[in-house]
Amino acid sequence: DAGVTQSPTHLIKTRGQQVTLRCSPKSGHDTVSWYQQALGQGPQFIFQYYEEEERQRGNFPDRFSGHQFPNYSSELNVNALLLGDSALYLCASSHSGYNSPLHFGNGTRLTVT
Amino acid sequence: RKEVEQDPGPFNVPEGATVAFNCTYSNSASQSFFWYRQDCRKEPKLLMSVYSSGNEDGRFTAQLNRASQYISLLIRDSKLSDSATYLCVVAADYGQNFVFGPGTRLSVLP
Repeated sequence: DAGVTQSPTHLIKTRGQQVTLRCSPKSGHDTVSWYQQALGQGPQFIFQYYEEEERQRGNFPDRFSGHQFPNYSSELNVNALLLGDSALYLCASSHSGYNSPLHFGNGTRLTVT
Repeated sequence: RKEVEQDPGPFNVPEGATVAFNCTYSNSASQSFFWYRQDCRKEPKLLMSVYSSGNEDGRFTAQLNRASQYISLLIRDSKLSDSATYLCVVAADYGQNFVFGPGTRLSVLP
């Protein structure tokens, strides 16, 4: 039973570029959430996808966008990268039922130079 | 006030010690509560869900006080492998809007 998988594991980009991160949820999960985690801080909620729609969004600019596909996998896109976007990006999947916890992938470490 | 706050840490304790972490949340409508642990440069992993009546899993005990909007995690007989950052997580809606605290770092010393 595969858990949450993310790709790539590491990425180096230049300011102003665009990046796409990918996530496949754990088998049986239908909801995907994306988080940004800076060093020494807790994960910050970016957005959540359910039934191919963005269901909730955190306090992130429109440069951050996403998509969920019919097979529940998801992409996070970030445009016009800034140095401050350097962080660990975590994908978490869950089931849309009550009290279902989040299960995280290994994350993508993005460095913007 | 932040939505979820935790003890600032770090906590440095000897092996075998008992250590308690505290967490408070501001949204009284919160429905689901969890503790996660995160090792350095790794992803968070679910440690345990927190139920209204309190629950125990081996050396770990979690308590919830809805009236005070307070969650706790007690670790008994600390092991070196318990060294990690412990994250308190609160969800306001069923399956949605999971908010993480900043985490409390624990170092268990030999």
